[in-house]
Amino acid sequence: GQNIDQPTEMTATEGAIVQINCTYQTSGFNGLFWYQQHAGEAPTFLSYNVLDGLEEKGRFSSFLSRSKGYSYLLLKELQMKDSASYLCAVRSLLTGTASKLTFGTGTRLQVTL
Amino acid sequence: SAVISQKPSRDICQRGTSLTIQCQVDSQVTMMFWYRQQPGQSLTLIATANQGSEATYESGFVIDKFPISRPNLTFSTLTVSNMSPEDSSIYLCSASPNGAQYFGPGTRLLVL
Repeated sequence: GQNIDQPTEMTATEGAIVQINCTYQTSGFNGLFWYQQHAGEAPTFLSYNVLDGLEEKGRFSSFLSRSKGYSYLLLKELQMKDSASYLCAVRSLLTGTASKLTFGTGTRLQVTL
Repeated sequence: SAVISQKPSRDICQRGTSLTIQCQVDSQVTMMFWYRQQPGQSLTLIATANQGSEATYESGFVIDKFPISRPNLTFSTLTVSNMSPEDSSIYLCSASPNGAQYFGPGTRLLVL
C-alpha cells in the first residue's frame, strides 16, 4: 500500500517563506507531484520531481529525497493569493506502463498580513 | 501542459438517476484518470481508463456503479449510476500527456 503524510494546516505571514513537508511510503515510485487547490476549484499542477534534488520554478521550489521518502514545497515571498490547499501526490508504477497517482490529505495554508 | 475540459461543470440530480460526465483532452494520451473529491477531503482515484481496453477500478469502486467509456485517445466518459446523496462530490478527470499530470475543472454533483 501507500502512505502519504503532510501537515493538515499551516499559517504564515505575507512576504515570508514557508516550507510544506511531505513524507511517503510506496512501492514502484515514479515521481512526486505538488498541486495547489483553491477552495471550490480543481487542483493546479505546481511541480514534479522524479530525481533527487531541488526543482525551482519562480517563487515555488520542490525538493525530493527518494532514499528518505521525503519532499517539501517551498513558497517564497508569500502573497495573500497563496492561501490555498497544497496537495502532495505520489505516482507509482503498476504493471507494464500503467501508473497511479495517490494523494495526501493536503495542507491548508493561510497567509496572513 | 494539457488543456482538459469537462461537461457538465455542475449538476443537481435526483436520487436513482444517472449522470454521464464527459472529459476532453487537447492531446492524445494513453491513460485518462477519474477522481472523486468529497467535501473537505483529498482526491481519491476511481479508475484508470485506457483506450481500447476495460477501465481498471480502485478498491471500493465497481463498474456497475461507475461505468467508463474510452472511445479514443482524447475523450472519456464517467457515468455515476443509480445515484444517492452519498455520491454528491466533485468528479475530476485527469491526464498525463508528458510526465506531469493535469486535471480538468471538475464536475460538481449534488444528489437530492
